[in-house]
Amino acid sequence: QKEVEQNSGPLSVPEGAIASLNCTYSDRGSQSFFWYRQYSGKSPELIMSIYSNGDKEDGRFTAQLNKASQYVSLLIRDSQPSDSATYLCAVSEGTYKYIFGTGTRLKVLA
Amino acid sequence: DAGITQSPRHKVTETGTPVTLRCHQTENHRYMYWYRQDPGHGLRLIHYSYGVKDTDKGEVSDGYSVSRSKTEDFLLTLESATSSQTSVYFCAMRPGKDTEAFFGQGTRLTVV
Repeated sequence: QKEVEQNSGPLSVPEGAIASLNCTYSDRGSQSFFWYRQYSGKSPELIMSIYSNGDKEDGRFTAQLNKASQYVSLLIRDSQPSDSATYLCAVSEGTYKYIFGTGTRLKVLA
Repeated sequence: DAGITQSPRHKVTETGTPVTLRCHQTENHRYMYWYRQDPGHGLRLIHYSYGVKDTDKGEVSDGYSVSRSKTEDFLLTLESATSSQTSVYFCAMRPGKDTEAFFGQGTRLTVV
C-alpha cells in the first residue's frame, strides 16, 4: 500500500467553481503536510503547509487536516483556468523522509 | 530563485553505462532528496540525505547510489543505466524536518 494516496484524476471543474482535492496517508506519526502545484514540464511549487487539525486559509486556497482520519484536503475557491495543473500532496514521515502522493490532475474549464 | 540547481538538464545515455546527476545548493540546507517522476507515479523518493555523509534509501533505490561529501552537493549515480530508469529526476532541499521543500529544475534522462 502506497504511503500517500491521491486520486489521479483528471478532476474537471467549471471556471468559478470550488475544486476539492484529497489525500490520505498511512503514517500516524506524520506531523507536517504540504500541497504543491506542478505545471507540465516544471518543478513543483509550494501552495500551502498545514500542521494542526482543522482548516488553514490562504487567499483562494484552504487546506484541511484530520489526523484521526489520516486525511488532508485542499479546496480551491473560484477556480481559474490558470489553476489547471497537477496537485501533489506531501507528508513528512519520521525525522527525515518526505513522501509525495501520485498527484491529482486538475482541469478548470473556461 | 531558491538556490538549487541540477546538472545536466538533459541527458541521453546508453544502456549499461554509469551516469551521475549533480544537485548543487547555495542555502546550506541540511536535508536533500532525489526523486524520480514518471506518469502515474507522482514523485517517488530514491535516496535522501540528512547531513554530510549521512544518506538513506527511499522507496525506489535499487540501481541507484548517492554521495554527499559536502553540504552543498548531492550526487545521484545510476550504476549501470537501464531503460526503466528513463525518467525526470528532481532534486530537492529542506532547511528543517517540518519545512517545505525547494526543488531544482529537473533532469530529463533518457536511456537508449
